Amino acid sequence: AQSVTQLDSHVSVSEGTPVLLRCNYSSSYSPSLFWYVQHPNKGLQLLLKYTSAATLVKGINGFEAEFKKSETSFHLTKPSAHMSDAAEYFCVVTLYSSASKIIFGSGTRLSIRP
Amino acid sequence: KAGVTQTPRYLIKTRGQQVTLSCSPISGHRSVSWYQQTPGQGLQFLFEYFSETQRNKGNFPGRFSGRQFSNSRSEMNVSTLELGDSALYLCASRNGQGGDYGYTFGSGTRLTVV
Repeated sequence: AQSVTQLDSHVSVSEGTPVLLRCNYSSSYSPSLFWYVQHPNKGLQLLLKYTSAATLVKGINGFEAEFKKSETSFHLTKPSAHMSDAAEYFCVVTLYSSASKIIFGSGTRLSIRP
Repeated sequence: KAGVTQTPRYLIKTRGQQVTLSCSPISGHRSVSWYQQTPGQGLQFLFEYFSETQRNKGNFPGRFSGRQFSNSRSEMNVSTLELGDSALYLCASRNGQGGDYGYTFGSGTRLTVV
C-alpha cells in the first residue's frame, strides 16, 4: 500500500527566509512523487516531479525537492520566500507502474510574514 | 495552449437533485481524472478515464458516475445529491497513463448543496 504524510499542516515564515515543507511517503513500488500548489479558489499547479531520474529536482518559482529513499522523504524547499508563495501545498504519490492511483497528502498551508 | 477548462465554476443545488459537471482537457491529452476536495477529507480521487474507458475508480458510492467522449471531454454526474456532496470538484488531464505523467488541473467547480 502507498501513503503520503505531510508533517506540518501550517508553516509560517518571514519573507526572504528559507521555506521547508516536509513530506514522507510509503510505497511498495518505485514511486513517482509530485508537489502541487493551490492558491485560493484555484486548481492545483504542478511545481515539480520526481520520476526516478535525478534525486534533486528543480521546479518552478525557485522551488526544489530532494528524493531521499533511505528516509522515504521528498521535502520541498525554497531559499527565499516571497509573499506570492502563500498558498496550500500538496505532496502527491502515484504508482510508477500502474495507470494512476494517485494519493494526495493532507496539504500544508504556507503563510508568509512581511 | 489552453488549460483544463471546467464548467460551471459555481453551482448551487438542492438535496435530492442531480448535477452534471463538465471538463475539457488540454488539447491532445487523452486521460481525464476527477477529484473531490473538502475541508474534512482533503483531496480524494473519484475516477479516471482514458480513451472513453474508465480505468480506475475511487471509493465513492454509485451516485457518482462519469463518462468520457471521443474528443476526450469528460462529464461527471452526481445523482440524489446530499449535503455532504458540497465540495470543490477538480478535473485534471495528462498526456499518458503511466505514474510519471504529471497532471494539469482545472480551476474546479464549487458545488454547494442546500
